[in-house]
Amino acid sequence: DIQMTQSPSSLSASVGDRVTITCRASQGISNYLAWYQQKPGKVPKLLIYAASTLQSGVPSRFSGSGSGTDFTLTISSLQPEDVATYYCQGYNSDPFTFGPGTKVEIK
Amino acid sequence: EVQLLESGGGLVQPGGSLRLSCAASGFTFSSYAMSWVRQAPGKGLEWVSTISGSGGNTYYPDSVKGRFTISRDSSKNTLFLQVNSLRAEDTAVYYCAKGGPYHTSPLDCWGQGTLVTVSS
Repeated sequence: DIQMTQSPSSLSASVGDRVTITCRASQGISNYLAWYQQKPGKVPKLLIYAASTLQSGVPSRFSGSGSGTDFTLTISSLQPEDVATYYCQGYNSDPFTFGPGTKVEIK
Repeated sequence: EVQLLESGGGLVQPGGSLRLSCAASGFTFSSYAMSWVRQAPGKGLEWVSTISGSGGNTYYPDSVKGRFTISRDSSKNTLFLQVNSLRAEDTAVYYCAKGGPYHTSPLDCWGQGTLVTVSS
């Protein structure tokens, strides 16, 4: 089975900072990688799919990149409403494992 | 507008069973794979099951295989998850989520979740 890891597990940054979260798959998954945002007490929301395609309605400050085993989610200018936990998920084959999450806070 | 509404959660004793439901609207239900994802209190997301649009193919992680059964009724636009032989570690919010045309698709819409608590 493919394992997904994320780093860091948490981060604290200032409003306006550039934030980067890394996701690594234990085996190659091509670009079958999604990023989800879960705000405190809320339902998860799809941000990015196919590693770099922005879901409709998601602000352009979010971007994704990578292929194979290494992927990144970047927030170009952190906003207060971006406080959330971010999860990656590989979906090229089952099990469709989620990463452990990265908690983003405002400094 | 896509809407997913889960129901059927509750308090159940270890070894017990529940049937979770997810009523779907706002899209052609039979054209999309559907999934269940759970989240234990204070923990991360865990994929639980996926079913193809036709219902002919189902997928499970080892942690629930043989205990959980996903199914769908396209005449009622409803997704189900039969959960048997429940354990304390199955305690979680269970989310229903809409996939794409294939089972290898991201989850683009999620319900509000239903809480399952396994305790004596």
